[in-house]
Amino acid sequence: AQSVAQPEDQVNVAEGNPLTVKCTYSVSGNPYLFWYVQYPNRGLQFLLKYITGDNLVKGSYGFEAEFNKSQTSFHLKKPSALVSDSALYFCAVRGPYGGSQGNLIFGKGTKLSVKP
Amino acid sequence: DAMVIQNPRYQVTQFGKPVTLSCSQTLNHNVMYWYQQKSSQAPKLLFHYYDKDFNNEADTPDNFQSRRPNTSFCFLDIRSPGLGDAAMYLCATSREGSGGYNEQFFGPGTRLTVL
Repeated sequence: AQSVAQPEDQVNVAEGNPLTVKCTYSVSGNPYLFWYVQYPNRGLQFLLKYITGDNLVKGSYGFEAEFNKSQTSFHLKKPSALVSDSALYFCAVRGPYGGSQGNLIFGKGTKLSVKP
Repeated sequence: DAMVIQNPRYQVTQFGKPVTLSCSQTLNHNVMYWYQQKSSQAPKLLFHYYDKDFNNEADTPDNFQSRRPNTSFCFLDIRSPGLGDAAMYLCATSREGSGGYNEQFFGPGTRLTVL
């Protein structure tokens, strides 16, 4: 069965510093990995995904993520954090099936706090 | 702008009183999902429609039902809400087909309070 783990409940970063939000996964077959962000009382917003190809994926708002097959990781990164990046971040994995079987499984989320 | 719309944004109901949440989309996506999200937890998939085909998650209580009368609209019916059903309910859509693994687009959610 597919699963993702986000080992940190909260990450604290100073504005202007680089940030990393960690995610590891467990799947049978090729993984399809996603990052979403959720601001308070809002729905989730898609940031980026890895399906195949380059291990470094660039997404919205200056975020990027690196797929590492040997470490089964898909960490989210940003070179310079903004206070407005403060939010709840979810990593998600989708199984190797299409259609109705390939549903997203979310990690428990990591709260990112960026201080001025 | 193409989007996923949820109404109402906030819903208050009484214990045991049926309630319906609505979702509409202008993206013309063929798959629509309903998630339940409790405070600062991961969204939990309740069910989804792939076109007209309804797919229920194994652990979704019978108290939760859904209808999709057309491509654009999907409803979540809670037949007899309990206090434990208070949560944010998120609707999402995606375009799926052979070989694609597309991202889901989420609505802003409906926060349900059960008194």
